[in-house]
Formats: sequence, C-alpha cells, structure tokens
Amino acid sequence: GQNIDQPTEMTATEGAIVQINCTYQTSGFNGLFWYQQHAGEAPTFLSYNVLDGLEEKGRFSSFLSRSKGYSYLLLKELQMKDSASYLCAVRDEQSSTLGRLYFGRGTQLTVWP
Amino acid sequence: DAGVTQSPTHLIKTRGQQVTLRCSPKSGHDTVSWYQQALGQGPQFIFQYYEEEERQRGNFPDRFSGHQFPNYSSELNVNALLLGDSALYLCASSFYTGTGWNSPLHFGNGTRLTVT
Repeated sequence: GQNIDQPTEMTATEGAIVQINCTYQTSGFNGLFWYQQHAGEAPTFLSYNVLDGLEEKGRFSSFLSRSKGYSYLLLKELQMKDSASYLCAVRDEQSSTLGRLYFGRGTQLTVWP
Repeated sequence: DAGVTQSPTHLIKTRGQQVTLRCSPKSGHDTVSWYQQALGQGPQFIFQYYEEEERQRGNFPDRFSGHQFPNYSSELNVNALLLGDSALYLCASSFYTGTGWNSPLHFGNGTRLTVT
C-alpha cells in the first residue's frame, strides 16, 4: 500500500523560513507533488520532483531523496498569505501512466505577524 | 482561460438520498478525476474518466458512480447517502500526453456535501 506522512500543524512568524517534511512508502515511485490549499479553496500546484535534489521556484523550494523516501517543502520570507494547508502527494509506479495521486493528510501552516 | 469549475458549491442532503455533482475541466484538458476530502484529511482518489470511460478506481463502494460527456465534463453520483459521505468533493483535470498523464492535476474549488 501507500503511506504518506507529514506533520499535522506548524507555526512560524512573518519573514521566517519554514520546512515542511514528508515521508512516503509506496509500491514504486514516479514523482512527488506539493500543493497549497487555502481554506475553502482548491489545492493549487506548487512543485514537482521526480529526481533527487532541490527544485527552486521563487520563495518555494522542494527537495527529494528517493532512497530515503523523503521530501521537504521550504518556504522562505514567509508572508501572512502563506497560511494554508500544504499537501504532499505521491504518484506510484502503477499509476504513473494514469495520473492518480496519493495524498498525505496535509500540514496546516499558520503564519503569525 | 477558465480553470476547473464545479457545481454546486454547497449541498445538504439527508441519509438515503442521491446526489449528483458536476465538473467542467480546464480548457484543453480531456481527463477528469474525482477526489473526496474529509475534514482534516488529504484528498482520496475516487475514480478517473478519460474518453468517456472509467479508467481507474479507488477504494470506494459502487454507490459512487460517474460519467464523462463528449465535451469532457463529468458527473459524480452518490446513491444511498451515508453520514460518512459528508466531505469536500474535488474534481481535478489533466490531459493525456500520448504516453500518460504526467502533468500536474488542476483542481476545482470543490463541492461541500453535508449529509444529515
């Protein structure tokens, strides 16, 4: 089966840096996604990793280690609007051609002024 | 460029009733997937529709069924509603690249279903 684990809640202050970790155990692996979801809104795509290493996109970066089944999302220069739930999602080998994603429970990030 | 649109935004039903949720994919997308998101949980895959056929199904009972129309829009039907069906139902669209569905999913804002 698939098991994706991430912390339930995190807090940080405006301007700080926060790292949200995600560990996964899946039958095969074909990519890891991070989504941001504000309350009552659609999840929006943030980043995608399929190879080991760091992917940087503005204030957001995502890291992947396939051998460790581990990823993190790094948010820099936090802003109040970054308060949201961050979802880690994995595409396993079987569903790689079908696009199905397995999601973690999400990490609710609260940014304080 | 319209994104993924879902209707209705909110719905209240009683146990045993039936419900139909609707989704229009993002322009240029031909595949629709449905996810159920319970409060405080991540989205759980229900099924995926491509070329008007169900291509893959998650661990949901037969009470959950769907349909895709020639214009790529889709419906999710749930029969014999249970209290536990209360959740946010998300529609996500993508497109077939020729080798698979490798692009990120684009989600709609969801339909909040409450079963009383």
